[in-house]
Amino acid sequence: AQTVTQSQPEMSVQEAETVTLSCTYDTSESNYYLFWYKQPPSRQMILVIRQEAYKQQNATENRFSVNFQKAAKSFSLKISDSQLGDTAMYFCAFMKHAMGSGYALNFGKGTSLLVTP
Amino acid sequence: DVKVTQSSRYLVKRTGEKVFLECVQDMDHENMFWYRQDPGLGLRLIYFSYDVKMKEKGDIPEGYSVSREKKERFSLILESASTNQTSMYLCASSLGYGTDTQYFGPGTRLTVL
Repeated sequence: AQTVTQSQPEMSVQEAETVTLSCTYDTSESNYYLFWYKQPPSRQMILVIRQEAYKQQNATENRFSVNFQKAAKSFSLKISDSQLGDTAMYFCAFMKHAMGSGYALNFGKGTSLLVTP
Repeated sequence: DVKVTQSSRYLVKRTGEKVFLECVQDMDHENMFWYRQDPGLGLRLIYFSYDVKMKEKGDIPEGYSVSREKKERFSLILESASTNQTSMYLCASSLGYGTDTQYFGPGTRLTVL
């Protein structure tokens, strides 16, 4: 079974600063997908960024980027120029590659990020 | 935009009641999922469905069942609610090719007294 570990239960960052959220995972699969999801206080979970394990290039989405280290099984999220609206719970998630039916996500326990003025 | 809706944001039930949580998606997605979210535990998969009338157990199916009679609707059923089922329940859907993005509903906060 795959496990996802987020070692930082809570983090805080000032507006305009950069913050990095860590995530490690354990798997024997060679082909898989990794995700960061964001859950603001309103509770709607939304996708932040996605990385395919076979791609060496790190994914980026505007101010969000990842540092994917496949050998180390590490998948950290960097938020640049933090904004108040980035305050949320962030979940790292793993999905193995599969043909056919859909496979569910394995989630970490989450990191609560607070952006302060 | 994909829209996943859940029938209630907040629900209060009594121990022993039969509880139905409804989820509807409007994007013709093949896959639908029910997760349970508890503080310090993250999200855990209860059941998922990859086609109408098809279902598979997730990590914590005990005490729950599901129903998918139509493609757009996926129901989670608590046969006899217990206090340890007090939680936030999240529904999600995805297009249908295994590793595509899941889209989540707003969640239902269920309290069992």
